[in-house]
Amino acid sequence: RKEVEQDPGPFNVPEGATVAFNCTYSNSASQSFFWYRQDCRKEPKLLMSVYSSGNEDGRFTAQLNRASQYISLLIRDSKLSDSATYLCVVNNGNKLVFGAGTILRVKS
Amino acid sequence: SQTIHQWPATLVQPVGSPLSLECTVEGTSNPNLYWYRQAAGRGLQLLFYSVGIGQISSEVPQNLSASRPQDRQFILSSKKLLLSDSGFYLCAWSRDRFYQPQHFGDGTRLSIL
Repeated sequence: RKEVEQDPGPFNVPEGATVAFNCTYSNSASQSFFWYRQDCRKEPKLLMSVYSSGNEDGRFTAQLNRASQYISLLIRDSKLSDSATYLCVVNNGNKLVFGAGTILRVKS
Repeated sequence: SQTIHQWPATLVQPVGSPLSLECTVEGTSNPNLYWYRQAAGRGLQLLFYSVGIGQISSEVPQNLSASRPQDRQFILSSKKLLLSDSGFYLCAWSRDRFYQPQHFGDGTRLSIL
């Protein structure tokens, strides 16, 4: 089992749609979780940290489910500019592990 | 605020030539530093990390090496490049290895001919 697994997508959604990504992780002792966004041919950029109680930043909501070992990212009211690859990142005890990413394409 | 600089942005090198990529961080002291490689359409692969000057840990065996001659400088090198070394190389920094997020430079796109 991979340390961090994501559905590669692509998720093709219309503008204004709500879309959710899940990410599963294998190390039950993981303590820190993040979502990054990576645009084509660019560096990954931190989108948000994921806290145990769940957290929201504008149209973005992140949730953590420790029992099932997954984190999720919900994007509401999708914009064209949200089109990117979303990377799930989990610490596995001695380093951060990056998922391969989920591609989102928002279309008008 | 902290900034990370990485150069060059693109590089085309012949097989067998040497390589030197440089990364510097400003606005923080004693950062943890990382080198990653991303092959086309693939995830990030951690190559090296460093917790301090002269301290380098290698994650995967390869013909690349890393050095940290100064607190905020991290260098990725090779004596002889292989075709398989092509990819997108990213330098990153963080305040600690386990709990804080990493912040990336703009990356170097390396093509080996």
